[in-house]
Amino acid sequence: SQQGEEDPQALSIQEGENATMNCSYKTSINNLQWYRQNSGRGLVHLILIRSNEREKHSGRLRVTLDTSKKSSSLLITASRAADTASYFCATDGEDKIIFGKGTRLHILP
Amino acid sequence: GAVVSQHPSWVICKSGTSVKIECRSLDFQATTMFWYRQFPKQSLMLMATSNEGSKATYEQGVEKDKFLINHASLTLSTLTVTSAHPEDSSFYICSAVDGHEQYFGPGTRLTVT
Repeated sequence: SQQGEEDPQALSIQEGENATMNCSYKTSINNLQWYRQNSGRGLVHLILIRSNEREKHSGRLRVTLDTSKKSSSLLITASRAADTASYFCATDGEDKIIFGKGTRLHILP
Repeated sequence: GAVVSQHPSWVICKSGTSVKIECRSLDFQATTMFWYRQFPKQSLMLMATSNEGSKATYEQGVEKDKFLINHASLTLSTLTVTSAHPEDSSFYICSAVDGHEQYFGPGTRLTVT
């Protein structure tokens, strides 16, 4: 089962621009996490935001969480070619992590 | 952070055979592990929750007789794909729970010919 829905499904931007990805979910959560996955590889954990937090930063990453709207956004600033990957949000309802459909981000040189 | 390994990292098998994938927590004990499946260009779909010493809990639509899960110790869970078919070809990822944190393995790519 999937809980999160990301949009856009795919995003292409120029290197140096900012990339914003959104995630919506359906049920109550304790935490929401964002992961990155390079093609054919495993998951890389990016950031976790708790349900009582509204915003969190980590390097070039900024995550927001709006529990009233059941949505989150991931902002990557000053994008680099190495940021090309798929990005997934994951929520932890019912003691198991459920992933959204993901956004495929492509950074153009 | 904690480390979770999977073995093998990739496997090719013939249709009709069975394949076992191992998931190990290397530096912590995990009473709960999860198994996910990911088809190309899709997201991770939770298949089952593996609990040490008890039966696995399967998600709706996942055949428990086809995907056998054994969590015999606190550091090892195995997923056996029985009578594999080409449509079972996928990327299988496990995760293990350490306290409130969940750590993912690097994945196993299964190709059934």
